[in-house]
Amino acid sequence: QVQLVQSGAEVKKPGASVNVSCKASGYTFTSYGISWVRQAPGQGLEWMGWISAYNGNTNYAQNLQGRVTMTTDTSTSTAYMELRSLRSDDTAVYYCARDKTLGAFDIWGQGTMVTVSS
Amino acid sequence: DIQMTQSPSSVSASVGDRVTITCRASQGISTWLAWYQQKPGKAPKLLIYAASSLQSGVPSRFSGSGSGTDFTLTISSLQPEDFATYYCQQANSFPWTFGQGTKVEIK
Repeated sequence: QVQLVQSGAEVKKPGASVNVSCKASGYTFTSYGISWVRQAPGQGLEWMGWISAYNGNTNYAQNLQGRVTMTTDTSTSTAYMELRSLRSDDTAVYYCARDKTLGAFDIWGQGTMVTVSS
Repeated sequence: DIQMTQSPSSVSASVGDRVTITCRASQGISTWLAWYQQKPGKAPKLLIYAASSLQSGVPSRFSGSGSGTDFTLTISSLQPEDFATYYCQQANSFPWTFGQGTKVEIK
């Protein structure tokens, strides 16, 4: 079946980096984009950015520019999100989601909890 | 950036009630709008895309309408499994943005 499976929970210290993976299966990976969305504890959804799995084009949220990098590996149908210079307010569940091509996210990963704490 | 404002922030309703949630965009977004349902500890689920298109597998009691700046999500007859938080999201232009969410609670 169509699914996105994310890597496991991470605990990081302030200033460190985290890399979250998102492995796709059940569909042609390069036919869709992938967005990353995060949700801080008890808060709403925040769109972080989008990457085309076809050509690697990206678009990032302004508030994360310079700290976030999204990439894909088409040989393994995996998307990656790296966030650098972590701060305590980066503590959140991070989701990858498939873009249905109309900017709607029809398939979601299970989420990866990233905790930033000294 | 396009700001998405949902109202109300929360609503208390009973099983069988008709529930309407509103989403307003700070500028026109045509019909580039999606609605999601999220239950605690779970990933969001796509309900409606392109403002009024029902995602495959979603019950027909969910419907969406609107264009430009004003949109609504309607649940025609609330079921026990519908108690959740609902989000709108615009995809007219980057950065894509979500509304703050509307929690549908049991009355």
